[in-house]
Amino acid sequence: GAVVSQHPSWVICKSGTSVKIECRSLDFQATTMFWYRQFPKQSLMLMATSNEGSKATYEQGVEKDKFLINHASLTLSTLTVTSAHPEDSSFYICSAIPAGNSGANVLTFGAGSRLTVL
Amino acid sequence: AQSVTQLGSHVSVSEGALVLLRCNYSSSVPPYLFWYVQYPNQGLQLLLKYTTGATLVKGINGFEAEFKKSETSFHLTKPSAHMSDAAEYFCAVSWGNAGNMLTFGGGTRLMVKP
Repeated sequence: GAVVSQHPSWVICKSGTSVKIECRSLDFQATTMFWYRQFPKQSLMLMATSNEGSKATYEQGVEKDKFLINHASLTLSTLTVTSAHPEDSSFYICSAIPAGNSGANVLTFGAGSRLTVL
Repeated sequence: AQSVTQLGSHVSVSEGALVLLRCNYSSSVPPYLFWYVQYPNQGLQLLLKYTTGATLVKGINGFEAEFKKSETSFHLTKPSAHMSDAAEYFCAVSWGNAGNMLTFGGGTRLMVKP
């Protein structure tokens, strides 16, 4: 079945640094990927929709200059948290839809990346 | 605004007992319905989904859920809980079957007592 890999699974960084998280579709091509944020003991909140070859679409309230998304190939989307601060500490999860599909019923989720900013 | 409500943020059952996790959604428009499971520090794994057809949906690990349009519900059940079922469960609803239209419930943490 479809597999989505996230790297790193854990990252700790100092306040003010930037952190890049990768989301890869391992056995399929994905023109669309999604990035979510999950605070402890809370549900997932969609941050942005990543479109291959074009700009990401951000949800209301998500700072696009803070959370840079690049979807340069059909198998890779990256989320860069710029100038990270402790309040950016969270669990970041991506999901992907196989190329040629558009529905939520074919989403595959990655295992998540836990970011801790000291 | 459309919403998804999971009644009970924590549910505790004994091993071997019935598991019932509740999910209600707020729209009369036929949605696509999903249940996901999340183990600690992991992503989401799809348990089951309803798109069209039979309203009783069977998923992995012995779970099933029934779409009841009149009650706008999609409750998740399992006849007999195992210790390995202890996890966080999320109900999610998509109106329009677009990937960016997936709305998650608040989650229910299932605890299984020996």
